[in-house]
Amino acid sequence: DAGVIQSPRHEVTEMGQEVTLRCKPISGHNSLFWYRQTMMRGLELLIYFNNNVPIDDSGMPEDRFSAKMPNASFSTLKIQPSEPRDSAVYFCASSLAHQETQYFGPGTRLLVL
Amino acid sequence: SQELEQSPQSLIVQEGKNLTINCTSSKTLYGLYWYKQKYGEGLIFLMMLQKGGEEKSHEKITAKLDEKKQQSSLHITASQPSHAGIYLCGADTTGAQKLVFGQGTRLTINP
Repeated sequence: DAGVIQSPRHEVTEMGQEVTLRCKPISGHNSLFWYRQTMMRGLELLIYFNNNVPIDDSGMPEDRFSAKMPNASFSTLKIQPSEPRDSAVYFCASSLAHQETQYFGPGTRLLVL
Repeated sequence: SQELEQSPQSLIVQEGKNLTINCTSSKTLYGLYWYKQKYGEGLIFLMMLQKGGEEKSHEKITAKLDEKKQQSSLHITASQPSHAGIYLCGADTTGAQKLVFGQGTRLTINP
């Protein structure tokens, strides 16, 4: 079975540009999570969805960040405009149901110059 | 996160030796998750603990959750080079599936 799929795997962009990260959760999973990992702050939850509905976005750092889940098999995390401090690895994870194990994708390594 | 303290931050052991990684929460846990991460890759799920006193094993890795559900340990017996990586504990302290992660333990296995 395919795991969580993320694209792109690597992204290099210039400050001020829009960045869109994509995630396809495991088929049948109804919870989706976006995390950010940096050396300084470790792994942090940004936002999570249940049944395509955003439940908690308190971890989203600024209005420059937005996330959508238009259907059960696709989600995006957008940064507009991007800044060098947004450089990090962004992970998407999905789970089958409430309080079930989260399975992580391979991550997108973002570098903003 | 200050809610979750993981120790040690790094660990170097000789192949074949046993080791333990600890994870301590300032809050009672609804669930405690152990993951392993290799550089440049995603997190691989190892084990989940939910009940006080629970213990789970997979191959040579054993994880325990204390009775108070605030501390967990991950024990590796007879370590192998394949065990090398970063071990992360993730805690659900609200019951809402919002995981808070420790800073990770970087494990190196010397042959």
